Amino acid sequence: AQRVTQPEKLLSVFKGAPVELKCNYSYSGSPELFWYVQYSRQRLQLLLRHISRESIKGFTADLNKGETSFHLKKPFAQEEDSAMYYCALKSGNTGKLIFGQGTTLQVKP
Amino acid sequence: DTAVSQTPKYLVTQMGNDKSIKCEQNLGHDTMYWYKQDSKKFLKIMFSYNNKELIINETVPNRFSPKSPDKAHLNLHINSLELGDSAVYFCASSQGGRRGREQYFGPGTRLTVT
Repeated sequence: AQRVTQPEKLLSVFKGAPVELKCNYSYSGSPELFWYVQYSRQRLQLLLRHISRESIKGFTADLNKGETSFHLKKPFAQEEDSAMYYCALKSGNTGKLIFGQGTTLQVKP
Repeated sequence: DTAVSQTPKYLVTQMGNDKSIKCEQNLGHDTMYWYKQDSKKFLKIMFSYNNKELIINETVPNRFSPKSPDKAHLNLHINSLELGDSAVYFCASSQGGRRGREQYFGPGTRLTVT
């Protein structure tokens, strides 16, 4: 079964602390993974895609096929990082995205 | 310039009514999607159209009917609205399903059924 799991519903850290939002997936094939972010009452925006291997707003994510994980990391959290983060898996050629349950990141001052 | 737009932004209606949500994209994409975000913020795909052809139809009640008059528009019509239909509905678009293509999301339509 194709599935994305984000085990933490809420992650609360202090400003300047490191952040790791966990994402595990289940997919029989070559996975394509994304992180989307939704700031309060705004639309979803793409944050990262694994094939780009980029760093956006200080966030990075590495695909680990052995552990079937795509964890999102940032060394020093900022208050403006507070948002809902979704890990998503693209399924097949239709472009269908399977989302994890989402993790709310709360960065306290 | 708004890439993916939805109307209305908010929709409050009573049980049993029929309502429509409209989506338009000006990105020149050939694929459009509808997602539902429930009260627990869980996001799930409902439908997808590629070049006006339905390519994804998840397990959605047949009270929901998508319509794509052209590549730039994907509307969602809901008949006989129920309390459980209350959610935020997001439209998205992409250029096909090829690798590396991201989806661009609309601002969402918050539907409240009373």
